[in-house]
Amino acid sequence: DQQVKQNSPSLSVQEGRISILNCDYTNSMFDYFLWYKKYPAEGPTFLISISSIKDKNEDGRFTVFLNKSAKHLSLHIVPSQPGDSAVYFCAESALTGANNLFFGTGTRLTVIP
Amino acid sequence: NAGVTQTPKFRVLKTGQSMTLLCAQDMNHEYMYWYRQDPGMGLRLIHYSVGEGTTAKGEVPDGYNVSRLKKQNFLLGLESAAPSQTSVYFCASSYWQGGSPLHFGNGTRLTVT
Repeated sequence: DQQVKQNSPSLSVQEGRISILNCDYTNSMFDYFLWYKKYPAEGPTFLISISSIKDKNEDGRFTVFLNKSAKHLSLHIVPSQPGDSAVYFCAESALTGANNLFFGTGTRLTVIP
Repeated sequence: NAGVTQTPKFRVLKTGQSMTLLCAQDMNHEYMYWYRQDPGMGLRLIHYSVGEGTTAKGEVPDGYNVSRLKKQNFLLGLESAAPSQTSVYFCASSYWQGGSPLHFGNGTRLTVT
């Protein structure tokens, strides 16, 4: 059973507008939520994370929001740029154990110039 | 720093053949992981290691073996390849603290015919 779900396989956004990528999770025991970005023929690269005790974390153009009651995570990119076009994965992790990540299925973002 | 290096980048095997995927990291990370990525499935954990000489099973370990004889290296072996093992394999490493981002290699694309 998929613990982390990204229900939108793809998203297209105009350059300069906001991109919102969504993620739903089922297990409330995880302590951290992370977003990774992946370009073709490359490995995923870490983008931003949020602790389960927070509801927002911001880093430049990227903001992650966590709604624990809804078990929902979102990534906002403002303003979107063509270089942001990639596949975005959300993932969850626990403080204890081996720091394993459970990944969603990914959302392909296309930013149209 | 090279980060996480995977070899080979591409490989084609026939059913029943064996091979070893190599992963090396130069960040002195304690933890290392092998993931596979399949279309529509996200990344799934095969095996992981929390230190030199240790290994453990992840979500999809069947048909694979691993070894971590040195802290910087993590090997993934396929003893008898099957078409179901056609996938892109990613190695990753991280510090031991929960929530630490994983650093990924650029992947090995394996095709089993």
